[in-house]
Amino acid sequence: QQQVKQSPQSLIVQKGGISIINCAYENTAFDYFPWYQQFPGKGPALLIAIRPDVSEKKEGRFTISFNKSAKQFSLHIMDSQPGDSATYFCAAKRGNTGKLIFGQGTTLQVKP
Amino acid sequence: EAQVTQNPRYLITVTGKKLTVTCSQNMNHEYMSWYRQDPGLGLRQIYYSMNVEVTDKGDVPEGYKVSRKEKRNFPLILESPSPNQTSLYFCASSLSAFGGYGYTFGSGTRLTVV
Repeated sequence: QQQVKQSPQSLIVQKGGISIINCAYENTAFDYFPWYQQFPGKGPALLIAIRPDVSEKKEGRFTISFNKSAKQFSLHIMDSQPGDSATYFCAAKRGNTGKLIFGQGTTLQVKP
Repeated sequence: EAQVTQNPRYLITVTGKKLTVTCSQNMNHEYMSWYRQDPGLGLRQIYYSMNVEVTDKGDVPEGYKVSRKEKRNFPLILESPSPNQTSLYFCASSLSAFGGYGYTFGSGTRLTVV
């Protein structure tokens, strides 16, 4: 059972455009929602994270939007750059466990 | 430099030949975990450890073993590897299982079982 569903599977955006990746979760006990960025040949690296008591968090060009009632959250990459081309994973965690449950991943390609 | 170190990076082995993938972290993290990454499936947890001598199964533990005798090390053991264990493996650590602490991942081990 996939508890965190991520879409789209792949995304192509022109340089300077906005990249949007969406995730939906099922378990209302989740209380920590990070996004990870992975470059080829590397392990995932924490990009940005949010807690459900906040509807939006912004760090530079990266913004998480969180909709608790809809059980959805999304990553927005503003002014997308070719260097942002990578695979992005959303994830969710319950506070009383260490387990991160990951989405299926989105491969982003930003064209120059 | 704070990091999670996995070895080897690449491994090709034959069915049934026992192997160990090592994982070590230098951040004094309590929580460690192994994930496998397969196309279209994201990262799935194999085993995790809340602290020394405390380990438990994740979502896909069949065919794997782990141990946590020291805080820094968390090896992944495949007693009798099979081709369906061909995958990209990641070790990760976190300061604590509780609260909003992110994971630090190793660089991965690409395993091929023939």
